[in-house]
Parts: sequence; structure tokens; C-alpha cells
Amino acid sequence: GENVEQHPSTLSVQEGDSAVIKCTYSDSASNYFPWYKQELGKRPQLIIDIRSNVGEKKDQRIAVTLNKTAKHFSLHITETQPEDSAVYFCAASWGKLTFGTGTRLTIIP
Amino acid sequence: NAGVTQTPKFRVLKTGQSMTLLCAQDMNHEYMYWYRQDPGMGLRLIHYSVGEGTTAKGEVPDGYNVSRLKKQNFLLGLESAAPSQTSVYFCASSAGQGASGPQHFGDGTRLSIL
Repeated sequence: GENVEQHPSTLSVQEGDSAVIKCTYSDSASNYFPWYKQELGKRPQLIIDIRSNVGEKKDQRIAVTLNKTAKHFSLHITETQPEDSAVYFCAASWGKLTFGTGTRLTIIP
Repeated sequence: NAGVTQTPKFRVLKTGQSMTLLCAQDMNHEYMYWYRQDPGMGLRLIHYSVGEGTTAKGEVPDGYNVSRLKKQNFLLGLESAAPSQTSVYFCASSAGQGASGPQHFGDGTRLSIL
């Protein structure tokens, strides 16, 4: 089955700096790669997603890049703000969604 | 429009007891999913359904059963609860693209087995 590895497990950045979270996947048939943000005690919420026929997607301060050859994708958050502090999960899908183990992002004011 | 609603929000059970978690969605989604979330392990798929009357096993199905008698409801049952089933359970639903499209999550059920 699909295996998704996510790094780093924790990340602290100064407010205003950029944050990058990286994921690799094992199944080359995966065609959908979403990112979810989960605040403490809350539900996971989709923040951005990308499909296998696209290399990059951007939504305001958030961007995702996909390298199908290397089977890895990354989340980029620019101009970080305190409200970006949360746990972020990547996932990959071919029929079923497999999640990474999460990155706890802390923005230091 | 409530989205995905899970009941109950919290529950404490004794080992060997049974219970049912209810998930309801009002978005007319075909696909529904049950995940469990444990510290450091992300979300793992327990069972899922691709439409009314259908169910299928996910990554960690042992000890759980599910039913989808109505399109809007997806029930997760624990027949004989074990401490290893202490977790936060999330239900999700998605539209026609199934797992290759956005999934909408409920608020979760925090379950403790003593």
C-alpha cells in the first residue's frame, strides 16, 4: 500500500519568515496530494491540494510543489503569522487517502 | 448546512463494552470515511464507503464494524472495546471524486477505553 513520509516532525520559525514541510510517497499511481491544517482540539481542514498533472499551485501565502519523478511534494508558507501555528498533514491518494505523520509548526512572535 | 456531524463528542467505556459512533453529513456526498488519530501517527483509515449500502476495509479495520444504510449516515461500531482503541475518531465525506477529492471532516469523537 501507499506510504507517506513527512519531515520535519516539528518546526519553529520566526514570524514573517517562511516555513517548508516536505513529504515523500511510495505509490507512483497516486494522483491527488492534499494538505490539511489541524489546530489543537479541532478537525483537520483542507488548506491546499494539487493533482498529479500540475507541478505547482499557489493560494495567497501558501504554495505546494510536486515532483512526480522524485515522488515528493512540499508545502511552502511565506510571511508566517501566529495563526499559522498548527499541525500540518500531507496526504497522497490513489483510491484511498494515506496521511503523513504530521508537522507541528510553531510561529515565534 | 452543518457539514459533517459526529456524535457523541466524548465517551468513556470499560473494556468489553460496545458502542456505536454516528456520523451524519448533509452535503449529499457519496463517499464517507472513518479515521482514527493517535499521537505521532497521523490519521489512519479504518473503513470507508463509496455509496449507500456499501462498505470496505481500510488500513486498520480489526475490531470495528460499519454500516451505511442511508446515504447521509455512516456508523462505526465497536463490539468489544479494548484499551488499544482509545483514540480520537474522525469521520469525513467527499463528493464524486472520492479519495481523489477534498474530504470534509467532522469535529471528532474522543473515546477512552478503561
